[in-house]
Amino acid sequence: DGGITQSPKYLFRKEGQNVTLSCEQNLNHDAMYWYRQDPGQGLRLIYYSQIVNDFQKGDIAEGYSVSREKKESFPLTVTSAQKNPTAFYLCASSPGTGNSPLHFGNGTRLTVT
Amino acid sequence: AQSVTQPDIHITVSEGASLELRCNYSYGATPYLFWYVQSPGQGLQLLLKYFSGDTLVQGIKGFEAEFKRSQSSFNLRKPSVHWSDAAEYFCAVGASMDTGRRALTFGSGTRLQVQP
Repeated sequence: DGGITQSPKYLFRKEGQNVTLSCEQNLNHDAMYWYRQDPGQGLRLIYYSQIVNDFQKGDIAEGYSVSREKKESFPLTVTSAQKNPTAFYLCASSPGTGNSPLHFGNGTRLTVT
Repeated sequence: AQSVTQPDIHITVSEGASLELRCNYSYGATPYLFWYVQSPGQGLQLLLKYFSGDTLVQGIKGFEAEFKRSQSSFNLRKPSVHWSDAAEYFCAVGASMDTGRRALTFGSGTRLQVQP
């Protein structure tokens, strides 16, 4: 079955460490996205990518970095510069950008202590 | 910039009762609008979408939504709620041609609790 795989589901890190969240899709979608979810704040856009080797900052990109070396992969690195990294992170993809419905992974819950 | 407001953080309804979740948007042109549902600890699933045409759109699981341009609203409705509908619901507006933002903007969500 086609879909989006996020791994791991739970991730624990010490403060000051960088951590990379994995996102892989086999839907052959061009666009991929990272959203952060916090209670009461909905989903906030971190980064998105419309094509391979290209990506754009979203609303809360500070302290995060991404790469898009392959169409099916869009890893997110949470750096030590991110002041409040503990959150639920959702990866999504869509056939095109802008107004195509998003297909979501099941998320990674990151806890930094 | 586009934005989405979901005024109700938490709603409780009895099983079998009707449901309406509110969504207001701010957007310069005719918007693309979406409703998603999220079960705890899971990703989001698309319920329905509005692009153009008929302002009443039907979705999965018996949900429908009505686009009202004059009120900048896109409220989600269901005639009879089932216990399995308990979840969090998100309204979203599509990309903005004005700003070049090529991603959906989500509201803060409404958590639905269903009483037996």
